[in-house]
Amino acid sequence: AQKVTQAQTEISVVEKEDVTLDCVYETRDTTYYLFWYKQPPSGELVFLIRRNSFDEQNEISGRYSWNFQKSTSSFNFTITASQVVDSAVYFCALSPYYGQNFVFGPGTRLSVLP
Amino acid sequence: AAGVIQSPRHLIKEKRETATLKCYPIPRHDTVYWYQQGPGQDPQFLISFYEKMQSDKGSIPDRFSAQQFSDYHSELNMSSLELGDSALYFCASSRGGQGSKNIQYFGAGTRLSVL
Repeated sequence: AQKVTQAQTEISVVEKEDVTLDCVYETRDTTYYLFWYKQPPSGELVFLIRRNSFDEQNEISGRYSWNFQKSTSSFNFTITASQVVDSAVYFCALSPYYGQNFVFGPGTRLSVLP
Repeated sequence: AAGVIQSPRHLIKEKRETATLKCYPIPRHDTVYWYQQGPGQDPQFLISFYEKMQSDKGSIPDRFSAQQFSDYHSELNMSSLELGDSALYFCASSRGGQGSKNIQYFGAGTRLSVL
């Protein structure tokens, strides 16, 4: 069975603070994909990143960075110098390499206060 | 760039009525996925289609059916609606049916309210 846990239900930070969103996953597959999606108040789901299980290299994209650690089954997401526009619900998701359906975590609601 | 188009954006129905949600994938995407997101919950996978054939099935109720047409658009048909069907329904599309290496791009969703 596959499962994604996002232990932080809600996080509030003040603008310009750094914030890390945690994601822990469970899978019996040896190959799989991990994703992060952002859901702003408008409701759409915005793709942020995909990481395959072979590649544990961390990735940085502007103010966003991701730390994938297979040994601890974690795929954490850090926003540096947060902005009010970062306020959203962030979902971590898991998919088998040869499957199609995503299993989403419960989401973390991030509020960035001015 | 063109995105996934869902219609309608909002839909209000009464119990026991039927509803049809439509999804137009990104051009050249051949795979469509449907998800249901209840209030305060994460999206739950319902069903997917690749090249007009059902490719995977999740927690889709028997009252729901879906299909993908020759132009790759998809429709989710929901009958005998219940109050618990009130949710945000997402469609996503990707290119290539096999392997989740193909990123799923989501539409803006259809918000269904059952009264």
